[in-house]
This record gives sequence, C-alpha cells and structure tokens, in this order.
Amino acid sequence: AQTVTQSQPEMSVQEAETVTLSCTYDTSENNYYLFWYKQPPSRQMILVIRQEAYKQQNATENRFSVNFQKAAKSFSLKISDSQLGDTAMYFCAFMKHENSGYALNFGKGTSLLVTP
Amino acid sequence: DGGITQSPKYLFRKEGQNVTLSCEQNLNHDAMYWYRQDPGQGLRLIYYSQIVNDFQKGDIAEGYSVSREKKESFPLTVTSAQKNPTAFYLCASSIGGRGHEQYFGPGTRLTVT
Repeated sequence: AQTVTQSQPEMSVQEAETVTLSCTYDTSENNYYLFWYKQPPSRQMILVIRQEAYKQQNATENRFSVNFQKAAKSFSLKISDSQLGDTAMYFCAFMKHENSGYALNFGKGTSLLVTP
Repeated sequence: DGGITQSPKYLFRKEGQNVTLSCEQNLNHDAMYWYRQDPGQGLRLIYYSQIVNDFQKGDIAEGYSVSREKKESFPLTVTSAQKNPTAFYLCASSIGGRGHEQYFGPGTRLTVT
C-alpha cells in the first residue's frame, strides 16, 4: 500500500522568505504522479503543482517548485517569496491505481503560516 | 461557470438518521470521488466512480453508500451504521485516467449529535 508522510505538522515563514515543505512516500510502482494541494481557511482544495515520476525535471509553477528525488521517494515543495495568501494547509498526494481507476492518497498535511 | 457544487455547506443531524450529501459537477468529467477530512488526518477516500452506473469502495467505505445514475451527480449517503459521521466531506471530479488533476467542491460540514 502506498503511504504518504508529511513530517512537519506546522511551519511558519515570514513574508518574502522561502520555505520548504517535506513529503515522503512509499510505493513499488515505477511510473506514478505526485501532487501538492493547498487548502486555505476557506477549505477549498486547490492544486498547486503536479509531478510525473518519469520526468527528471522538477515541476515549477510561478513561485512554487518541487524537489523530486525519485530514488529517495521524496517530493518537497518550495515556496519562494512567500505571501500572506499562502497561509494554508498543504497536502502532498500520491495518485494510486485502484481497482477500476485512479484516486489520490493524501498525507496528513502541513499547516503553513505566513507572517508579516 | 463550470465547477463542482456541494450542498448544503453545513448539515446537522440526529444520531441514528441517514443523511444524503449532494455533489454536482458540470465539467463533463467521467470520474467522481468522495473524501472525508478529519482534523490531523488529511483526506481519506470513501467511494469513487469512474463512469456512470459504476462505483468502487475506497479506504473507509463502511457506513456509507453512493449512487451514480447521472454523469453530473454523485450523492453520498451517510448511514446510521457510520460510527463517527461528524466530519468535513469533500467531493471531487476529474477527467479520469492516470495523472489527471482532481477538482474539488467547497465541501459539506456534517455534524451529528
């Protein structure tokens, strides 16, 4: 069974600084997808970034980037130039193959607070 | 506007009553999902459906039931057999298949007393 571990329950960062959220996972698959979702206080889940395991290049979306280490099964999220609006819960997720399709297996989340 | 709607936003029920949570999408997505979120637990998969008239149990299906009679709709019934039904419930949809993003609804907070 695939497991996703986020070892940092809470983190804080000052505005304009950089922060890295960690995520490790366990799988025997070779080709898979990983995601970071953001859940602000509104509780609306929003996709931040997606990584395909067979791609060596780390995914980047504006101020958000990942450090994907396939051999180490590590998938950390880096937020550059942090903004107050980045305050949210961040969930790492692994796309797993179920009986007749695909579903997400989530970590327990990291609560990020961006302070002025 | 395309999206996923869940209603109601807040729902209160007495213990022993079944309750149905609504989820509708107009994104023309084939796949739909139900997740449960508890404090400190992340999201856990309850049921999912890859196509109309077909659905599969997720990791915590006990005490829940679903139907998928229309592509746009995937209602979730929380039965009296669910021991701890109070939680935040999120519905999602996707095109289906490997690697595609799941889009989430705004969620329903269910409180059972």
